[in-house]
Amino acid sequence: GENVEQHPSTLSVQEGDSAVIKCTYSDSASNYFPWYKQELGKGPQLIIDIRSNVGEKKDQRIAVTLNKTAKHFSLHITETQPEDSAVYFCAARGYSTLTFGKGTMLLVSP
Amino acid sequence: DGGITQSPKYLFRKEGQNVTLSCEQNLNHDAMYWYRQDPGQGLRLIYYSQIVNDFQKGDIAEGYSVSREKKESFPLTVTSAQKNPTAFYLCASSWGGDEQFFGPGTRLTVL
Repeated sequence: GENVEQHPSTLSVQEGDSAVIKCTYSDSASNYFPWYKQELGKGPQLIIDIRSNVGEKKDQRIAVTLNKTAKHFSLHITETQPEDSAVYFCAARGYSTLTFGKGTMLLVSP
Repeated sequence: DGGITQSPKYLFRKEGQNVTLSCEQNLNHDAMYWYRQDPGQGLRLIYYSQIVNDFQKGDIAEGYSVSREKKESFPLTVTSAQKNPTAFYLCASSWGGDEQFFGPGTRLTVL
């Protein structure tokens, strides 16, 4: 089955800095890669996603890049704000289900 | 408002008891999912259902059971056979397997 590795497990940045979270996947047939943000005690919310026929996608301060050859994809957050502090999960979809990474706790200090 | 509801938010149970977690969606989604979340472990798939009256085991189905009698509902039963049931349980739904919408979760504690 699919295996998704996510790094780093924690990331601390100053407000205004950029943050990058990286994920690798094992199944070359995976074709859909979402990123979720989870605030404490709540369910995850989709913030951006990318499909295998696209190399990069951007939505305001958030961008995702995908390298199919290397089987890795990354989340980029620019101009971070304290409200960006949360746990972020990457995922990859193989045949019919999503496999999630173990999460990255992002802390943005004012 | 369209969305996914899970109840209760907090649940306590004694060892040896079965307990059922509720998940309802009014998004008209065909597929529904149950995940378990433990600290530092990410989300692990317990069961999923792509159509009514049909469901498949996920990666950690042992000690759990589900039913899908209605499109809107996908209850999860945590049985006494589950060795370590204390966790945060998340339900999700989707059109066809891509974008999944999550509920607010149920935190189960076994006393």
